[in-house]
This record gives sequence, structure tokens and C-alpha cells, in this order.
Amino acid sequence: ILNVEQSPQSLHVQEGDSTNFTCSFPSSNFYALHWYRWETAKSPEALFVMTLNGDEKKKGRISATLNTKEGYSYLYIKGSQPEDSATYLCAFYNNAGNMLTFGGGTRLMVKP
Amino acid sequence: DTGVSQNPRHKITKRGQNVTFRCDPISEHNRLYWYRQTLGQGPEFLTYFQNEAQLEKSRLLSDRFSAERPKGSFSTLEIQRTEQGDSAMYLCASSLVLGGGAVGYTFGSGTRLTVV
Repeated sequence: ILNVEQSPQSLHVQEGDSTNFTCSFPSSNFYALHWYRWETAKSPEALFVMTLNGDEKKKGRISATLNTKEGYSYLYIKGSQPEDSATYLCAFYNNAGNMLTFGGGTRLMVKP
Repeated sequence: DTGVSQNPRHKITKRGQNVTFRCDPISEHNRLYWYRQTLGQGPEFLTYFQNEAQLEKSRLLSDRFSAERPKGSFSTLEIQRTEQGDSAMYLCASSLVLGGGAVGYTFGSGTRLTVV
């Protein structure tokens, strides 16, 4: 059983605050780490697919880093906006598996 | 192609009834996945297909659950003799995997099942 943990489970911030969440995953047999954003009543949307240790990816105000040796990834949101309110899911792909294993998600609520 | 489509969006059923959900993936995608998500949890893997072949099933998938993907196109997930514990969001996703797993999934909007 692969354990993918996300923290915190939920987070309330004010508009304009910067924030970050953590995803931890098994450091052995790493293949890829995915981040998704899931807004209420919509489909989960892929944000990043990360494969290399030390990788850093950016999409607008959102960025992510990856440390495969210690088994964690951080997702950062700079200057949070109300439209960033969503559940952020990370998912782990090991080199022996054929499907993603998801963490429990971090639910972000940004107050105007 | 309008993405991954799931029907119905919502389903309320009485305990003991059978239900069937449908997923239409992106047509070029060879893999199709079913996940289940309950409140406060992340999506849990149920099963996946590569083209028409069902290659893996989770131990979560009891014998009341069956999935098919005839002709490698759309897929159906059937739950027989539903129980209240089956109440969840059932998510379908597809991807085009030619080698490894470093490609993102495209998800549907899910089917929310409520068993009363």
C-alpha cells in the first residue's frame, strides 16, 4: 500500500496572502508526482507533472517543487485570489504501478 | 472532442438496487481509469483499462462491482445490490500512455451516487 499524505487538510487564507501545502510520498521507486486542482462542481484539472529531483514548475502564481530523495513536494500559491479556492490533490506514480495513488487533498478557501 | 464525459451527474438509488454509470473518454486516449472519492478523502483507485483490456482491479472493488470497456471506447461501471457505503463520487479519467506514467489524467466531472 502506497501512502501519500497531504497537509494541511484545509486552509483558510485572506486574499493576497501567499500559502503553501505539502505532499509526502514514498521515496523509493519514484516515477512521477502529479498535482491537480479540483474546484467544486468541476473536474479535477492537471496542474503539474513532475519527474526529476529538484524540479520546479510554475504556472502563473502557482509553483511546485519536488524532492524525490526525501519524498516530498511543495505547492506554493503567491498572492491568493478567491478563484484559487479549491481542493489541491497530489498523486504519486511509482515505477512498478500503472495508476496514480492520490493523497487526501488540501482544501483551500481564500476569503475576499 | 469535449473532454471526458460522465453520465449521469447524480444518481439517487434505493439500497439493493443496481446502478450503472457511463464514461466517455477522450477518443485518442488508450487508458481509462475509475476512482471513487468519499467526503474528506482523496480519490481511491478502483480499476483501469488499457484499450479494451481491464488490467488491474483494486481490492476495494468487491464482486458487486463490474466494469467494462467494450471496443476500447466508452466504459461502464455497474454496482449491483447497492449498499449505503457505496455512496460516493465516482470519477472517470483517461490518458494516453505510450511508455511510462508521466502524463496527466483528464478527468470527467464525476457521478455522485447517493444510496438511501
